Amino acid sequence: KNEVEQSPQNLTAQEGEFITINCSYSVGISALHWLQQHPGGGIVSLFMLSSGKKKHGRLIATINIQEKHSSLHITASHPRDSAVYICAVRKSGNTPLVFGKGTRLSVIA
Amino acid sequence: NAGVMQNPRHLVRRRGQEARLRCSPMKGHSHVYWYRQLPEEGLKFMVYLQKENIIDESGMPKERFSAEFPKEGPSILRIQQVVRGDSAAYFCASSPETGDGYTFGSGTRLTVV
Repeated sequence: KNEVEQSPQNLTAQEGEFITINCSYSVGISALHWLQQHPGGGIVSLFMLSSGKKKHGRLIATINIQEKHSSLHITASHPRDSAVYICAVRKSGNTPLVFGKGTRLSVIA
Repeated sequence: NAGVMQNPRHLVRRRGQEARLRCSPMKGHSHVYWYRQLPEEGLKFMVYLQKENIIDESGMPKERFSAEFPKEGPSILRIQQVVRGDSAAYFCASSPETGDGYTFGSGTRLTVV
């Protein structure tokens, strides 16, 4: 079993829909990252969380440390949000990230 | 602040040649990580370095792969005698001592023909 599990694996939404991507992890962590990768593109760090909730524009990320669970929400989704969203955790300090397999999001106009 | 710079962006090598991938971390970042993304697969850790030291290389294949982060200059990931299975995107990331501000480079896409 992977230490970081994401769901769903694939997601198709209509433009304007509210989107939720989930991430569960099975290890103790010092931080959780949400990353975005467009096809053939680089990796952009969206959020780093150790507790609570963060918001940036239409993106919201939450984490529940007790339940070892995080969610990424996209409000008013747009076709340009189409990308792979990756959850990654850091177990402590400066240790390397452990990644989920990603969620492939397609937003259709 | 130019961010994490990786070069080249694309690299084509014939089987048996050597590939050298470079990563310049963000200014003020002393920790460098290399990750590999095989086609249609997730990201996997390869090696974690600080200046002149390899901290964790548990994700590196035992043969043909090496990495360094010298006192001066970029971090280098070196793959000797490349094979088709080495074709992948190689990403570098850097972070400061505190661990905040974790930043990825744009990646090097290696194609072995």
